[in-house]
Amino acid sequence: DAGVTQSPTHLIKTRGQQVTLRCSPKSGHDTVSWYQQALGQGPQFIFQYYEEEERQRGNFPDRFSGHQFPNYSSELNVNALLLGDSALYLCASSLARDRTYEQYFGPGTRLTVT
Amino acid sequence: KNQVEQSPQSLIILEGKNCTLQCNYTVSPFSNLRWYKQDTGRGPVSLTIMTFSENTKSNGRYTATLDADTKQSSLHITASQLSDSASYICVVTIYTGGFKTIFGAGTRLFVKA
Repeated sequence: DAGVTQSPTHLIKTRGQQVTLRCSPKSGHDTVSWYQQALGQGPQFIFQYYEEEERQRGNFPDRFSGHQFPNYSSELNVNALLLGDSALYLCASSLARDRTYEQYFGPGTRLTVT
Repeated sequence: KNQVEQSPQSLIILEGKNCTLQCNYTVSPFSNLRWYKQDTGRGPVSLTIMTFSENTKSNGRYTATLDADTKQSSLHITASQLSDSASYICVVTIYTGGFKTIFGAGTRLFVKA
């Protein structure tokens, strides 16, 4: 039973470029959430996808967008990269009917913007 | 404003010693509280979960407590090991028509030999 997987593991981009990060949820999960974690900080919620639609969104600009596919996998896209976008990007999957809302996290994608 | 605050920010202890990490929250409506362990550069892994009615939950050498009246939680680590070196994050889940999780900034624990 595969857990949450993310790709790529590391990524280096230049200011102004665009990036796409990918996430495959834990088997059986239908909800994917994305988080940004700056060094030494707790994860900050970006948005959540369920049934291929954005269900919730945190305080992130429109440069951050996402998508969920019919197989529940998800992508996070960031346009016009800024230096401040450098962070660990975490994907978490969960089951919508789980009333405890347990989330399983992937290993993350380390994005460096130069 | 929904907030989760943790203390201390960082902690250094000797291997074999015990330690206690604190978490205070000002969120509502409260659904549950989790403690996660996050190794450097990795995703968080859940250690314990407690709902409103639970006071204590153990997972091996980790024991979490919850006081819903004072909105405080603690994570006690017994007989620390070098592998306990990590960040410990307190996460509160609320439900307002949909689940939302609020993360603390974490406590960075260093266990020295």
